[in-house]
Amino acid sequence: EAEVAQSPRYKITEKSQAVAFWCDPISGHATLYWYRQILGQGPELLVQFQDESVVDDSQLPKDRFSAERLKGVDSTLKIQPAELGDSAMYLCASSWERLAGGDTDTQYFGPGTRLTVL
Amino acid sequence: AQSVTQLGSHVSVSEGALVLLRCNYSSSVPPYLFWYVQYPNQGLQLLLKYTTGATLVKGINGFEAEFKKSETSFHLTKPSAHMSDAAEYFCPSKNKIIFGKGTRLHILP
Repeated sequence: EAEVAQSPRYKITEKSQAVAFWCDPISGHATLYWYRQILGQGPELLVQFQDESVVDDSQLPKDRFSAERLKGVDSTLKIQPAELGDSAMYLCASSWERLAGGDTDTQYFGPGTRLTVL
Repeated sequence: AQSVTQLGSHVSVSEGALVLLRCNYSSSVPPYLFWYVQYPNQGLQLLLKYTTGATLVKGINGFEAEFKKSETSFHLTKPSAHMSDAAEYFCPSKNKIIFGKGTRLHILP
């Protein structure tokens, strides 16, 4: 069964350093999501792509976070510089939906990248 | 706009007992409703979803949920809890962008 791949699974960094996370969605999925999940809370959407275009990045802290999906396939989320409060699980998900804000399609999640900022 | 509310941030049940996790929605239009599960240190996984048709939806791992329009509810149930059901459960909003804090299910031996 196809899966969403994420790497690395774990990342430890010092504050003020740059970090990057990679996500490879299920083949053919048009929509890709990045979520941040702080311990004890639910996932919070950071950015949503449809193909290579950003659909929603209203919750992305753009002063330090950036995301791209250049060829509409895999995606990279970057934090520069990292802060202590960025320690969290970063989840990537994908779905077939081509409609922005599509409601009925299942999201398939990757295993996540757990970031620890020291 | 639709919103959903999960009742109870923590639920504990004994192994073999009925599992009931509550989710209520508010909407003026037919909803699309989901339940996701998250096991420790893993991503989320779809348990089941309701879009149209039969109001009793069966999902994976023996879970099911019933859409009750009169009660604006979509509660998740499982007849007999297993230790492996211990996890975080989410009933996200219509557009799946807001997951909320979820309900942590504890299974007591």
